[in-house]
Amino acid sequence: GAVVSQHPSRVICKSGTSVKIECRSLDFQATTMFWYRQFPKQSLMLMATSNEGSKATYEQGVEKDKFLINHASLTLSTLTVTSAHPEDSSFYICSAFFPGGAKDTQYFGPGTRLTVL
Amino acid sequence: DAKTTQPTSMDCAEGRAANLPCNHSTISGNEYVYWYRQIHSQGPQYIIHGLKNNETNEMASLIITEDRKSSTLILPHATLRDTAVYYCIVLNNAGNMLTFGGGTRLMVKP
Repeated sequence: GAVVSQHPSRVICKSGTSVKIECRSLDFQATTMFWYRQFPKQSLMLMATSNEGSKATYEQGVEKDKFLINHASLTLSTLTVTSAHPEDSSFYICSAFFPGGAKDTQYFGPGTRLTVL
Repeated sequence: DAKTTQPTSMDCAEGRAANLPCNHSTISGNEYVYWYRQIHSQGPQYIIHGLKNNETNEMASLIITEDRKSSTLILPHATLRDTAVYYCIVLNNAGNMLTFGGGTRLMVKP
């Protein structure tokens, strides 16, 4: 099956700093990637849709200037949390759309746990 | 995309079949039924999807009723490692965003 990786898997940072999370599709090209956030004991919530070569589309309530998304290639999307605060502590997960015709589906990365002190 | 309804939690004995139901009564003709699961502190894992025919792969079977208003995910021989939250999602284009509801928390017990 298709593999999606994320780096780092876990990060701890001080309040006010910026953190970059990478999402890579390892064995396929993904024109569309998605970024989700998951708080403890809650379900995944979509933050933004990232299309290669164009600006990301953000969900309502997600600050685009705070969560910068860059999808510079067909295998890499990055999420930068700028000026992180403790309330940004969460589990960030990306997914990549694998266009396989009848086997179309999204594959998810393992997630990045962000802790802001 | 159509809304889905799943039981909040289920238990299953190790080695037995786990049957996870999902209601999607408002599903439209071009919408697929997708199943994902999320093991604690991991990203969701794709399991299986289907349109109207029953599907089987190495992980599970998907049974869709003839009217397509409900489906059942079957794990034929559940193991402890199958303990996870299982999400049933309906969408017409796999390239669209996935909307995750509460899912079913499956607990496989020895």
